[in-house]
Amino acid sequence: EPEVTQTPSHQVTQMGQEVILRCVPISNHLYFYWYRQILGQKVEFLVSFYNNEISEKSEIFDDQFSVERPDGSNFTLKIRSTKLEDSAMYFCASSESRQYTGELFFGEGSRLTVL
Amino acid sequence: SQKIEQNSEALNIQEGKTATLTCNYTNYSPAYLQWYRQDPGRGPVFLLLIRENEKEKRKERLKVTFDTTLKQSLFHITASQPADSATYLCAYSSGTYKYIFGTGTRLKVLA
Repeated sequence: EPEVTQTPSHQVTQMGQEVILRCVPISNHLYFYWYRQILGQKVEFLVSFYNNEISEKSEIFDDQFSVERPDGSNFTLKIRSTKLEDSAMYFCASSESRQYTGELFFGEGSRLTVL
Repeated sequence: SQKIEQNSEALNIQEGKTATLTCNYTNYSPAYLQWYRQDPGRGPVFLLLIRENEKEKRKERLKVTFDTTLKQSLFHITASQPADSATYLCAYSSGTYKYIFGTGTRLKVLA
């Protein structure tokens, strides 16, 4: 069964360092998302991406965050200068269709620990 | 602002009983609601979607209802099993390219 894959599964970094989290969405999906979940808290929307551009972003997704689809398969989230509060599980998701009926397929997540 | 709330943080239930989880929303009338299951340290997994014109939706032991008057969706697991223990999330699309998730209800089914 097709699945969303994410790498790395766990990354430890020093505050102020840049981090790139990678995702390979399901191949025929058109809509891509990044969510984060701080330990013990809710799944929070960061950004959605369609047709090679950001469709929507939350207030969390400030200038230190960026997303890219560098080729036909990868979808990346970059955090330019990490802060302690960026420590969280980051989930990539994709869907075949837009909104409403488009169920989200999530990856297993990348756990980011900022020291 | 739009809010979606799951008012039980945790729910313990005896094996074989029906678990009922609640999702309430305010300041918005979503056309669809989705329910997901999340196991510890893993990504959410889609379970069911219900449309506003559907009162009820079923899938095996799962049942979801949608009451637009009460602004509420109920999620039922009948004949619950220890393997059903997980966190269950409701979510809605705000009409654009994002899905908003509730805080989740952690269900524990006791053998």
